[in-house]
Amino acid sequence: EPQTAESGGGLVPPGGSLRLSCTSSGFTFSDFWMSWARQAPGKGLEWVANIKPDGTNIHYIDSVKGRFTISRDNAKNSLYLQMNSLRAEDTALYYCARDWQWGFDSWGQGTLVTVSS
Amino acid sequence: QSALTQPASMSGSPGQSITISCTGTSSDIGGHNYVSWYQQHPGKAPKLLIYEVTTRHSGVSSRFSGSKSFNTASLTISGLQAEDEADYYCSSYRSTTTSFVFGTGTTVTVL
Repeated sequence: EPQTAESGGGLVPPGGSLRLSCTSSGFTFSDFWMSWARQAPGKGLEWVANIKPDGTNIHYIDSVKGRFTISRDNAKNSLYLQMNSLRAEDTALYYCARDWQWGFDSWGQGTLVTVSS
Repeated sequence: QSALTQPASMSGSPGQSITISCTGTSSDIGGHNYVSWYQQHPGKAPKLLIYEVTTRHSGVSSRFSGSKSFNTASLTISGLQAEDEADYYCSSYRSTTTSFVFGTGTTVTVL
């Protein structure tokens, strides 16, 4: 069964940085696009970014362009999200998910990022 | 980036059917068949129900079905059960921004 698990969240002041990680198992990681999505407390889902299997094609939501960087290490079955210049509005539970036929499956339980002074 | 529009809440009695709408534009829902639906129980991760408008994901009950007409996609839950009480989100690829967008979410209550 395909699975993902996120880590790296925490409390960070505005303007700070954080690096999220996502480890995957149960499927051939290097065959799939992977995405990050987030959910602010009590709010809806928001897609953040995705990355092609070989890392050569990447897309972001406008609000994180220039601040967030998605990357992957296929040898480690791992996905990453480097988040810089964090803002209060980036506070959310961050999920990684496998891209599946223009949808997303194998969501992890999420890692909470809180941006506050 | 503007979210797709869903009703905030819907309800039904056990055994009834409900249909959740998801309205977008010609740049997303109306432009292709890359629409998916998710179920999220409180405190849990989202679960993929439907992809490419109508295809049920592996292990998903046949009580869930999807459709689309022009710029509006729909998720129908037939034979409503207590376990169906959850939040539901639609999603679509948006070609103009090469990104994905989720709906505003619908809370389903089983009376």
